[in-house]
Amino acid sequence: EPEVTQTPSHQVTQMGQEVILRCVPISNHLYFYWYRQILGQKVEFLVSFYNNEISEKSEIFDDQFSVERPDGSNFTLKIRSTKLEDSAMYFCASSPLAGVDEQFFGPGTRLTVL
Amino acid sequence: RKEVEQDPGPFNVPEGATVAFNCTYSNSASQSFFWYRQDCRKEPKLLMSVYSSGNEDGRFTAQLNRASQYISLLIRDSKLSDSATYLCVVGGMDTGRRALTFGSGTRLQVQP
Repeated sequence: EPEVTQTPSHQVTQMGQEVILRCVPISNHLYFYWYRQILGQKVEFLVSFYNNEISEKSEIFDDQFSVERPDGSNFTLKIRSTKLEDSAMYFCASSPLAGVDEQFFGPGTRLTVL
Repeated sequence: RKEVEQDPGPFNVPEGATVAFNCTYSNSASQSFFWYRQDCRKEPKLLMSVYSSGNEDGRFTAQLNRASQYISLLIRDSKLSDSATYLCVVGGMDTGRRALTFGSGTRLQVQP
């Protein structure tokens, strides 16, 4: 069964550093998403991406964040200057264009900002 | 009022029991509804979509009441492997929006 993959599984970084989280969505899916989950809290939407552009973003997704699809398979989330409060689990998800917008999640990257 | 509200639990039930979870959502324009399950420190996994007519998948039955803005999940014959957090999820708040809004989850612990 096809699945979303994410790398790395755990990233530790110093405050102020840039990080890039990587995702490979399911191959025939056309919508891609990033969500985050701070430990002990609910999953929160960050951004959705379709047809090589952002289609929707939340208040959390400020100027420190950017997304890119650098090639036909990868989808990345960049955090330019990490803060302590960026420590969270970051989940990538994808969904097909047609039909109900069921979204399938990758295993996540645990980001720890020190 | 929270956008998607769930009882956090935990629900502690014996194997074989039937357990029901409820969820309410605040935006009447919501278009799509789901139950996901999440194991500790893992990703949300889609359990089932929820339709107005109600739907069943094996031991799991989901119901949606749009008038009351209420979603339910019934699990029959609980197994130890059903122990997880069950997330009520709402999507499509406005036409064209695909962002999912998650509840905080209801924790289920099935005991032998």
